[in-house]
This record gives sequence, structure tokens and C-alpha cells, in this order.
Amino acid sequence: AQRVTQPEKLLSVFKGAPVELKCNYSYSGSPELFWYVQYSRQRLQLLLRHISRESIKGFTADLNKGETSFHLKKPFAQEEDSAMYYCGVRGSTLGRLYFGRGTQLTVWP
Amino acid sequence: SAVISQKPSRDICQRGTSLTIQCQVDSQVTMMFWYRQQPGQSLTLIATANQGSEATYESGFVIDKFPISRPNLTFSTLTVSNMSPEDSSIYLCSYLAGETQYFGPGTRLLVL
Repeated sequence: AQRVTQPEKLLSVFKGAPVELKCNYSYSGSPELFWYVQYSRQRLQLLLRHISRESIKGFTADLNKGETSFHLKKPFAQEEDSAMYYCGVRGSTLGRLYFGRGTQLTVWP
Repeated sequence: SAVISQKPSRDICQRGTSLTIQCQVDSQVTMMFWYRQQPGQSLTLIATANQGSEATYESGFVIDKFPISRPNLTFSTLTVSNMSPEDSSIYLCSYLAGETQYFGPGTRLLVL
């Protein structure tokens, strides 16, 4: 069975500080990993995915298959980064995307 | 990406009643999904809505409680049956386009 663990329910940092949102997964095979974000009063949207190896809004995430982790990082957090972040994993069959419980990030001025 | 909408956006219901949530996409999509978003808990996949066949339910969710329809490639409904306060949640519709999953605005349900 697939499982996604986001150990931090809440995370607070000050503006300009580095931030890391942790995600560990348990999945057989070679899954696809994603980070989705939900800003206040907005719908859930894709932030980034591991296969793209891209940086979005200053965020990056590296897939570590040995540690089965996909932590989201940003070197200098901004107030507008405050949001709920969900890590997601999708296997190869039927396109189902499973999420962790989410981490609420608050960036203080 | 296609525009995805849900109705109603919110509702307050009495226990024992049922509510049907509608999801509309403005272009044809193959795969649609229903999720439940509870505060402090995971964003949980309820089922995959398949056009022309029965929905595929995840562990812990059953058709009698959450019947789903998918009459065509642009529309789906989720019914929350015989509601209890534990069903109070946000219900999200979603579709898959390529590698990206897009989400509707959600339906906020409160069961009294």
C-alpha cells in the first residue's frame, strides 16, 4: 500500500529564513512525486513535480530514492509562501494521486 | 487547462439526509476523481469516477455511502448518503490532464 508522510502539521519561519517541508513516501515501484499548494481562499494547485526538476517560486524538491523522501525547500521564505502544502505520490496504474496530511506553512514578517 | 466547477459551494445539512455534489469540466476528460479534505487530516481519495462504468472506490469508502455517477466525459456527481456529523468536510472534484491533476474549488459540507 502506498503511504505519504508529512511529519509536520504546522511549520513557522520568519521571512528570509530557509524552509524545508518534509515528505516521506512508501510505495512499491517507481512512483511520481508532486507538491501541491493551497493558498488561503484558493483551490489546490500543482507546485512542482519531481520529473520536471524545476524550481517554482524559488521552491525545489529532490527525490531521494534511498531515503524515499521528497522534501520541499526554499532558501529564503517569503510571506506570500504562507499556505497549506501537500505532498503527493502517484503510481503507474490508473493515475490515482495520494496525498499526505499536509503542512501548514506560516512565514512571519 | 480545462475549467472545473462544483455545485453547491457549501451546504448545511441535517443528519440522515443526502447531498449530491456536481462537478462540471468544460472539456472532455478521461479520468475524474473525488477527494475529501478534512482539517488537520489527509487529503483523501474517495474514488475514481470512470465514464461508462462503476466508480473505483478506495479502501474505507463504499458505493452505498458515496454513490458516484459519471454519465459523460465532462460531468460527475458524488452523493453523500445518510449523512452524519463525521461527514462534515470539504469535498473536491479533480481531473487528470497529462501528468497534472487539477482540482475544483470544493464543496464545504456541514452536517448537524
